Amino acid sequence: ETGVTQTPRHLVMGMTNKKSLKCEQHLGHNAMYWYKQSAKKPLELMFVYSLEERVENNSVPSRFSPECPNSSHLFLHLHTLQPEDSALYLCASSQQATQGKAFFGQGTRLTVV
Amino acid sequence: SQQGEEDPQALSIQEGENATMNCSYKTSINNLQWYRQNSGRGLVHLILIRSNEREKHSGRLRVTLDTSKKSSSLLITASRAADTASYFCATVSSGYALNFGKGTSLLVTP
Repeated sequence: ETGVTQTPRHLVMGMTNKKSLKCEQHLGHNAMYWYKQSAKKPLELMFVYSLEERVENNSVPSRFSPECPNSSHLFLHLHTLQPEDSALYLCASSQQATQGKAFFGQGTRLTVV
Repeated sequence: SQQGEEDPQALSIQEGENATMNCSYKTSINNLQWYRQNSGRGLVHLILIRSNEREKHSGRLRVTLDTSKKSSSLLITASRAADTASYFCATVSSGYALNFGKGTSLLVTP
């Protein structure tokens, strides 16, 4: 295991639902990230948090709302999603936000119906 | 934004053969990293090479970096069926995060 845990592993939700993805890291890292991985596309960076402060938001639609209550936990709140939002959502952490090696969770496979 | 571009997109070899994957990128970098992903799982860091390094080894992995050509290669020697996975290069430039390519899908058959 990488020390980064994501829950749930799989999620099916309707377009009118509200759900949250959770990520927890036990590595003492200061930076945490959300990435989206769709079929046949590169990993897309969504959000970066450094010391619990959002430092990057890559033009992500407002139906995705991140929350970082402390340096060990990161959430992604989802509401009124579209079918094209179905993807693997990956959380990662690193020692510092300006980058060495990143540790990834196993991902949440999200299906929007 | 996408930085790394891996080549080939897919590679199929037999156990014992060597596998070579290439990565090209567009802007100057601080470092370049290679990751591995088994189907539907998270990414696992393999190796990091800094912009002032030309070659790095880790076990059966050998990475080269040519900053003049803005390219890197990952060589896996004596491949095993367990090496079957997707391999991604990721670059770190300015900014906060890794920029990934689309990956090379490697299949190693017994």
